[in-house]
Amino acid sequence: EIVLTQSPGTLSLSPGERATLSCRASQSVSSSNLAWYQQKPGQAPRLLIYGASSRASGIPDRFSGSGSGTDFTLIISRLEPEDFAVYYCQQYGSSPPYTFGQGTKLEIK
Amino acid sequence: EVQLVESGGGLVQPGGSLRLSCAASGFTFSNYEMNWLRQAPGKGLEWVSYISSSGTTIYYADSVRGRFTISRDNAKNSLYLQMNSLRAEDTAVYYCARNTAIRKRYFDDWGQGTLVTVSS
Repeated sequence: EIVLTQSPGTLSLSPGERATLSCRASQSVSSSNLAWYQQKPGQAPRLLIYGASSRASGIPDRFSGSGSGTDFTLIISRLEPEDFAVYYCQQYGSSPPYTFGQGTKLEIK
Repeated sequence: EVQLVESGGGLVQPGGSLRLSCAASGFTFSNYEMNWLRQAPGKGLEWVSYISSSGTTIYYADSVRGRFTISRDNAKNSLYLQMNSLRAEDTAVYYCARNTAIRKRYFDDWGQGTLVTVSS
């Protein structure tokens, strides 16, 4: 099973700042099969990024993903008030289980 | 508009059973792979089970294998999760979610979730 470790656990920033979230895998994630999700309190997760760097439909271009192998990054270039939430990475390699990181909470400073 | 609506959650005693349903609309349900995921209170996300569009391929997380059964009825546009021998650690919000890319199991669309509480 691939274990995903996200850092930091909590990130405190102000609107307008740049956010950099990290996701590290315990072994190489095949074909960059990594996704990022945003979850707000009381809501279901929302897909942001798939294939490590492809934005899902309707996702603003201030969200970008990068990385390969075992190290992946989600960048929010300029934080909007609605971006403060919990972010999860997920790997979907060739066989299950499809695992998630423990999450990074992005909070307003 | 894609809609996934879960139902069937509630309070159940340890060792009991519950059947969750997910009603799909806004897309051709029979063409898509589906999943169940869960989130314990205040915790992260856990994938639970996958079923192919035809229902012929099924996967489970180790934590539920042998206790949970995923199924679908394409004629009724519905996904199910039969949960037996429930434990306290199964307490969570359960989500159904759709895959849109073939053999790429990220989760494009999610329902709003249904809460399952296992407690005496």
